[in-house]
Amino acid sequence: NAGVTQTPKFQVLKTGQSMTLQCAQDMNHNSMYWYRQDPGMGLRLIYYSASEGTTDKGEVPNGYNVSRLNKREFSLRLESAAPSQTSVYFCASSEAGSENSPLHFGNGTRLTVT
Amino acid sequence: AQSVTQLDSQVPVFEEAPVELRCNYSSSVSVYLFWYVQYPNQGLQLLLKYLSGSTLVKGINGFEAEFNKSQTSFHLRKPSVHISDTAEYFCAVSSNTGNQFYFGTGTSLTVIP
Repeated sequence: NAGVTQTPKFQVLKTGQSMTLQCAQDMNHNSMYWYRQDPGMGLRLIYYSASEGTTDKGEVPNGYNVSRLNKREFSLRLESAAPSQTSVYFCASSEAGSENSPLHFGNGTRLTVT
Repeated sequence: AQSVTQLDSQVPVFEEAPVELRCNYSSSVSVYLFWYVQYPNQGLQLLLKYLSGSTLVKGINGFEAEFNKSQTSFHLRKPSVHISDTAEYFCAVSSNTGNQFYFGTGTSLTVIP
């Protein structure tokens, strides 16, 4: 029962490097989300995808891009990493994009940018 | 827009004592409310949710929460905590007009033996 799977679990980048965080869900959910978690700030939405083929900006989209590759997969790309992007990144999914459907989270990717 | 305030960033409590974690929200529309728990180095897991109906909601691990519309609150309670309840707890809100969830800044619950 995998749920939401994120890779990698840990990553260290130098300023200016690029990378893609991968996320896949096996629950046939329509909606997928990327959050970042920083101490004292809770979770902040970066981007979300209400359904396959659509993406929308969240609260903190600058410096990121996303791709909804298919219904299962939603990737987050950092084109030119900055120290301010050091954070823990969580992918989540929910059923049918419904507001009353809870989010299901992956275990996170801990990213450090030096 | 919606917002969530968790009034206590850290709550220490002795084992077997009761605990209440406070959550207030602001919104101009009807909302759905959630509590999530995060154990160290893990993602968030749903504890309970309020969608409609009874204002007292029971969740997993003996937790419950009460929705109070007049006070715009959704406080989480447990009558007797265990060491295993030590974790970070997040209150979240979503509206019935959008596709976004808004999270509080979290409350770190530490259960002391």
